[in-house]
Amino acid sequence: GIQVEQSPPDLILQEGANSTLRCNFSDSVNNLQWFHQNPWGQLINLFYIPSGTKQNGRLSATTVATERYSLLYISSSQTTDSGVYFCAVGEGGGSRLTFGEGTQLTVNP
Amino acid sequence: GAVVSQHPSRVICKSGTSVKIECRSLDFQATTMFWYRQFPKQSLMLMATSNEGSKATYEQGVEKDKFLINHASLTLSTLTVTSAHPEDSSFYICSAGGRGYSNQPQHFGDGTRLSIL
Repeated sequence: GIQVEQSPPDLILQEGANSTLRCNFSDSVNNLQWFHQNPWGQLINLFYIPSGTKQNGRLSATTVATERYSLLYISSSQTTDSGVYFCAVGEGGGSRLTFGEGTQLTVNP
Repeated sequence: GAVVSQHPSRVICKSGTSVKIECRSLDFQATTMFWYRQFPKQSLMLMATSNEGSKATYEQGVEKDKFLINHASLTLSTLTVTSAHPEDSSFYICSAGGRGYSNQPQHFGDGTRLSIL
């Protein structure tokens, strides 16, 4: 099956700092999603981005499908950005997702 | 708003009890739903694929007699944890992909935190 690797596993920032999270995957995919899991366990869908670049406020993401990686950028981080960020990939919108191990982000005031 | 509703959000029960978790697609017909399990400090692992009108497909190592899945309609899948024991305590979360739902994101429910005493 598809392998998904996320880096770094842990990241500690001061409020206001910028960060880049990386997701590498082992095979061609037609679905790639970034999620933020909040302290209550809810998975917040940040981006659906099998290819290209998208931006939503302070967050942006880029997927280079031909090179099998995706990046999530967080700018001007806030304490509310803390939590676990997951990358998940799949063969299509209606197919199973394989999750990476996640990046635990802590933003200190 | 939420397009996938999962209920209940939290269950605490005694060992030996059977627990049913519901996953509903609200805005679309979901021919396929997925059930994931997450242990503390770990990632989400797929347990099974729920197919409307047919038997679920279970991942290797998941006991199908322990985790019963029913997908009787295009908007509802249920996961029943039978004779639950403390080792079944976990966070269970469902997602949905619809009919011809290609090139669209998967939507997740809010999860169910199951604690078996």
